[in-house]
Amino acid sequence: KQEVTQIPAALSVPEGENLVLNCSFTDSAIYNLQWFRQDPGKGLTSLLLIQSSQREQTSGRLNASLDKSSGRSTLYIAASQPGDSATYLCAVPNTGNQFYFGTGTSLTVIP
Amino acid sequence: KAGVTQTPRYLIKTRGQQVTLSCSPISGHRSVSWYQQTPGQGLQFLFEYFSETQRNKGNFPGRFSGRQFSNSRSEMNVSTLELGDSALYLCASSLVGTNAYEQYFGPGTRLTVT
Repeated sequence: KQEVTQIPAALSVPEGENLVLNCSFTDSAIYNLQWFRQDPGKGLTSLLLIQSSQREQTSGRLNASLDKSSGRSTLYIAASQPGDSATYLCAVPNTGNQFYFGTGTSLTVIP
Repeated sequence: KAGVTQTPRYLIKTRGQQVTLSCSPISGHRSVSWYQQTPGQGLQFLFEYFSETQRNKGNFPGRFSGRQFSNSRSEMNVSTLELGDSALYLCASSLVGTNAYEQYFGPGTRLTVT
């Protein structure tokens, strides 16, 4: 069974800093990896989807990388803003479209 | 294009009752998955439906069931509610149902069991 781990569990940074969130998974035979953002009490917002054949994906200030062989993905957030404060989750699917989620990183950006 | 919608957004039920939650996927999406999110267990997969068929099921008791209609809308039912069923229930839709495609989540239904 796939296990997904996210480190750190919580992170607090001053506004303007660049930061990296980490995601690791135990089974490297993945089809893709998706990063989500969740605001308190809300649903999940998709940030980036990386296909297994890709090494990275970028959207605005976000850049996600994928290293299947080592079972790792990182989400890089440039020039952080208070509005980036949220919980960030990574997820990988099995062959049946069941996603395994990490426990998330709770990010606080201090103005 | 409208996103994934879930109704109701909030529910309060009593132990022993049953509840039905509804999810309408993005137009054209045929796969709908359901997840339970609790502070202690995080996000856990309940089941996935594709073209009205349950394709995949997580490790939940038989009190949790679901179905999908011909228009891809899905319902989830929980019978004989327990206090531990209090959670945020999220549904997600994807375009074709293969794992190459992006999942889009709804806002969730917050269920409180008293």
